Amino acid sequence: DIQMTQSPSTLSASVGDRVTITCRASQSITRWLAWYQQKPGKAPNLLIYKASSLESGVPSRFSGSGSGTEFTLTISSLQPDDFATYYCQQYNSNPLTFGGGTKVEIK
Amino acid sequence: EVQLMQSGTEVKKPGESLKISCKGSGYSFSTYWIAWVRQMPGKGLELMGVIYPGDSDTRYTPSFQGQVTISADKSINTAYLQWSSLRASDTAIYYCARRAETYEYFVTWGQGTLVTVSS
Repeated sequence: DIQMTQSPSTLSASVGDRVTITCRASQSITRWLAWYQQKPGKAPNLLIYKASSLESGVPSRFSGSGSGTEFTLTISSLQPDDFATYYCQQYNSNPLTFGGGTKVEIK
Repeated sequence: EVQLMQSGTEVKKPGESLKISCKGSGYSFSTYWIAWVRQMPGKGLELMGVIYPGDSDTRYTPSFQGQVTISADKSINTAYLQWSSLRASDTAIYYCARRAETYEYFVTWGQGTLVTVSS
């Protein structure tokens, strides 16, 4: 199975900050990576697919990059609505696997 | 609007059986894979398995094979997740999610079903 490791596990930031979350795969997944946002008590919401493609309706302050084994999710200017937990997911091979999550907290 | 509507909260005792549901609307239910995803309390997301409602082709993540049964009834646009004998460790929120048409990421999610197993 492909292991997905996110860092950091928790991140404290302020409104307006630029935030970067890293996701590393245990082997190459080319660009088959998605990012989700999950708020407390809610289902995950797709933000980005194919490493850098923004899902329809997602604000442009979210961006993704990377290929192979290292990927990043960047929020260019953190907004109050962005405090949540973020997960990466590889879909290069089965079983599909998720990262452990990064919680973005208010500093 | 594409929607997945899941059945409500369940409280069960160890050893009991359970079947939870996920009803799709606003799209052709038979032609998109549906996944079931587990989230244990305070933990991350785990894919349990997927089903193609059109022909009930079902694939399980190895760690969940034999522990649960995934099924679907395309005539009523509903997918199911079932246990024959619940354990306390099955306590979790269970989400259904619709896969993208071509690739294996998840575009639409149900609201989640909380299952609590306690004596």
